[in-house]
Amino acid sequence: GENVEQHPSTLSVQEGDSAVIKCTYSDSASNYFPWYKQELGKRPQLIIDIRSNVGEKKDQRIAVTLNKTAKHFSLHITETQPEDSAVYFCAASIRGNEKLTFGTGTRLTIIP
Amino acid sequence: SAVISQKPSRDICQRGTSLTIQCQVDSQVTMMFWYRQQPGQSLTLIATANQGSEATYESGFVIDKFPISRPNLTFSTLTVSNMSPEDSSIYLCSVKGDRAYEQYFGPGTRLTVT
Repeated sequence: GENVEQHPSTLSVQEGDSAVIKCTYSDSASNYFPWYKQELGKRPQLIIDIRSNVGEKKDQRIAVTLNKTAKHFSLHITETQPEDSAVYFCAASIRGNEKLTFGTGTRLTIIP
Repeated sequence: SAVISQKPSRDICQRGTSLTIQCQVDSQVTMMFWYRQQPGQSLTLIATANQGSEATYESGFVIDKFPISRPNLTFSTLTVSNMSPEDSSIYLCSVKGDRAYEQYFGPGTRLTVT
């Protein structure tokens, strides 16, 4: 089955700087890659996703890139703010299968 | 996105008992899933709740331990049976619409087994 690895496990960034979280997946049939943000005690919240037919997607300060050949995708957060502090999870799934396989998570701390 | 609710939001249960968790969506959805999130860990899929048929379980999860019902397109239940302290986790349902890729999560049920 699919295996998703995520790095780093923890990341501390000065407010205003950029943060990058990276994930790799094993199943070349995977074609959908969402990112979730989970604040303490809250549900995972979908913040951005990308499908395999595009290489990059951006939404304000958040962007995701996908390299299908290398089977890895990354989350980029620019101009970080204290409210970006949370645990971020990447995931992968196959259209038609729909089951999400999650990475192990990255705890992002924004230092004021 | 759909509004998803879960009941109960949290519970403390004794070892050997069972707890049924409900997931309600405010609109019909094609697919519903149940996940477990152990303390400080990632999310692991337990099963896909199939409307009108038996749930599809992932490796390591069995129907006797986690029976699931899905009587219609807006509701599902997950039962955690014969609980032990190792079952202490957050249990989350998620839903996916017919045409969309996106999955959205319910608020979760925090279960503590003593």
